[in-house]
Amino acid sequence: AQSVTQLDSQVPVFEEAPVELRCNYSSSVSVYLFWYVQYPNQGLQLLLKYLSGSTLVKGINGFEAEFNKSQTSFHLRKPSVHISDTAEYFCAVSYNNNDMRFGAGTRLTVKP
Amino acid sequence: GAVVSQHPSWVICKSGTSVKIECRSLDFQATTMFWYRQFPKQSLMLMATSNEGSKATYEQGVEKDKFLINHASLTLSTLTVTSAHPEDSSFYICSARRDGNYGYTFGSGTRLTVV
Repeated sequence: AQSVTQLDSQVPVFEEAPVELRCNYSSSVSVYLFWYVQYPNQGLQLLLKYLSGSTLVKGINGFEAEFNKSQTSFHLRKPSVHISDTAEYFCAVSYNNNDMRFGAGTRLTVKP
Repeated sequence: GAVVSQHPSWVICKSGTSVKIECRSLDFQATTMFWYRQFPKQSLMLMATSNEGSKATYEQGVEKDKFLINHASLTLSTLTVTSAHPEDSSFYICSARRDGNYGYTFGSGTRLTVV
């Protein structure tokens, strides 16, 4: 069975500081990994995805993530955050081109 | 490209009535669509997988007679919440999978409030 664990429910950080949002997955087969951002009362926006190839994936809004197969992790990073990055972030996993399962989410709050 | 339109964005209904939510892929064909439910400050929980021209596959614990899913065309899937009760109040989100490029596109969600 596949599952996703987001280790931090809330991450407060000051503006212009770096941030890492952690995500670990469990699956016995190859997986596809995603990070989404959700603003209040809105749907999900794709930040980035890993399907295959380079383990370092660059996404929109300056975010990047690194796929680490040995540690079954897919942590999201940004070197310098902005107030506008305040939102809920979801890590998701899918395999065999099938449905997508989400982690519990991490609330990123950027303070001035 | 790859836009999914979900309608309505919010709805208030009386207890006991039914509500239909539409999910449309505007610029691509989606043989598979997914319906999720999200409670406040919680993650998205997959309710069902909707396949064009066939019956939906429901997740364990989801009442198929209460949450009716119809995927009659390659661009439209509907979720009908029948005999709604206050505990059905939630944020419902659909997504559509694009073939080949392996992408999922999400709708903007529907806030359902049952009073």
